[in-house]
Parts: sequence; structure tokens; C-alpha cells
Amino acid sequence: KAGVTQTPRYLIKTRGQQVTLSCSPISGHRSVSWYQQTPGQGLQFLFEYFSETQRNKGNFPGRFSGRQFSNSRSEMNVSTLELGDSALYLCASSLTGGETDTQYFGPGTRLTVL
Amino acid sequence: AQSVTQLGSHVSVSEGALVLLRCNYSSSVPPYLFWYVQYPNQGLQLLLKYTSAATLVKGINGFEAEFKKSETSFHLTKPSAHMRDAAEYFCAVSDRGGSYIPTFGRGTSLIVHP
Repeated sequence: KAGVTQTPRYLIKTRGQQVTLSCSPISGHRSVSWYQQTPGQGLQFLFEYFSETQRNKGNFPGRFSGRQFSNSRSEMNVSTLELGDSALYLCASSLTGGETDTQYFGPGTRLTVL
Repeated sequence: AQSVTQLGSHVSVSEGALVLLRCNYSSSVPPYLFWYVQYPNQGLQLLLKYTSAATLVKGINGFEAEFKKSETSFHLTKPSAHMRDAAEYFCAVSDRGGSYIPTFGRGTSLIVHP
């Protein structure tokens, strides 16, 4: 079974631009969560999608958004990029997103904002 | 709000020695608790989780953790360290609210000396 895949793996953008990251979950998984990992703030939960609906959201500004498609693939978008958005963005999938479900993580997308 | 504290940003052990990584949580109700490992340039991998069954939880790669309510702790141990255990370890907590919305500790880097 293929694991969680994220594209692209590396990305360089400049301040003010916008960016879209993609995540393909494990086949059969309907929940996709996104996380931001930075040296300063550590690992933080961004949001979770289930059946094309955002079900949970972390404490991030509205510049961070996402969506999920009918095949469970998910994208996250960051508009008006800031230097502080430089981070590793991780996607994780699970069967239902339940609190005892096991999440499987992708390798991440490394975003650098110049 | 719940929080997680991992004591020691770096832990150094010799190969074959006991590994002990500390995690304390702050929550009014015993939450679900998780340990993850992250190898360089990879996403997170679940090592083990506590969901209120046995307080001693066995995970992959020979790791185990014990939930101690009186100490609000969930320390990770392994009897004998291997070189391949060198990685970043994260403790996470999630409230019992239905969905998995984790709060992560800052991580502990495990260094294994030959």
C-alpha cells in the first residue's frame, strides 16, 4: 500500500506570493490533517478535513486555508506569504480522524520564503 | 488548555544503554497520549499511544511508555539503545473530544554514541 505523498518536496517563494501544497492520503483514508513544523514554534496543528469538509482548525490566520476533494486528496494554500511561514508542512492521513485512529505522515513539503 | 512538556531538548546515551525520554502533560482530564519519532528529512511515525487501556504501552522498535496519572507523566523507555534510534522524538496529547487534535511537545533529540 502506498504511503502518504506530498508534492512538491521543496519550494522557494518570495514574500507576498501565494503557494499551494498537495497531499495524497493512503488509499481508503478519509481524514487528512495538516501541520506546520518550525524551529521556533515546533509542531502545530493547522486543520483537518474529512469527507471534503473542514472539521477542525488550529490557531492560524485566515491566510492559511485548505480543501479536500472527493478522492480525499487535499491541498493547503497560504496567501500573502510572510518570512515566518518558512517551515516544513506535514500532511497526515487516517481512516476517520478519530482520536484513537493512527495517523500516517507524509515526508513533508519544505517551504522557504525569501 | 492542555500542554506537553518534554524535559531535555537533547538526550545522549551510549549504544546498549537505557533510553529514557521524559514527557509530562497538563490536562484536567487524562487525555490520550502519543509518542512519535521523526528521522531526518522524514515525517513523523507513531511509536505508541495510550488510549486508557493498559497503563504500560508497548510500541514499535522495542519502545514502551507508562502512563502515570499521579505524576501526569508518559515517559518513553527502551532497555537498550541502537544507533538507528538516533532521531527526534515527540510526545503529543489529545483531548477526549472525538477528533484527534494533538498538541505536541517541543521534541527531544536522541543522540546515540557507539
